[in-house]
Amino acid sequence: GDSVTQMEGPVTLSEEAFLTINCTYTATGYPSLFWYVQYPGEGLQLLLKATKADDKGSNKGFEATYRKETTSFHLEKGSVQVSDSAVYFCALSGPSGTASKLTFGTGTRLQVTL
Amino acid sequence: DAGVIQSPRHEVTEMGQEVTLRCKPISGHDYLFWYRQTMMRGLELLIYFNNNVPIDDSGMPEDRFSAKMPNASFSTLKIQPSEPRDSAVYFCASSLQGPGNTIYFGEGSWLTVV
Repeated sequence: GDSVTQMEGPVTLSEEAFLTINCTYTATGYPSLFWYVQYPGEGLQLLLKATKADDKGSNKGFEATYRKETTSFHLEKGSVQVSDSAVYFCALSGPSGTASKLTFGTGTRLQVTL
Repeated sequence: DAGVIQSPRHEVTEMGQEVTLRCKPISGHDYLFWYRQTMMRGLELLIYFNNNVPIDDSGMPEDRFSAKMPNASFSTLKIQPSEPRDSAVYFCASSLQGPGNTIYFGEGSWLTVV
């Protein structure tokens, strides 16, 4: 079945450091890929998404590119802020043409310090 | 626009009691999902509905759990009888028809069974 693997956390960075959170997936067909973010005590919010190969999703300085050849969707940000501290979830939906239920990775906690 | 609305936000109940969690999806959304989040198991899809009809309930842990969607604007997740291992955050989410559409989450119902 479909699955998502993302890097173990926690990831601890200093403010203004470069961030990469790795995500790879296994799926049949051509899934859509998502990054969700969960701030402490809150629900999940969509951060960005990509619906086909080579698409780049971006939002709030975060980017991720849908790489079909490596089945990856790594999240990057050039300069993190303390306010980016949260748990980040990679997810996929599909296969295409059917229900859009999400399969999530286990989440990666990011802590940004001054 | 109102997002997905869940109630109660927090509930503490005694083992053996019935718990009912409620959800109002975003108006016009065709899909409704119930997820459970725990530290040990991460995010798990319990059940989802399409046009008020349950499509996949394979994630429902056992017969103590039941979910209904009597109309397009309301769903319930019931646990009877509750057990301490049911303590978790329960998220309701909704989306429009079709793959690649964003799934929007409520803020969650934080359940503690003592």
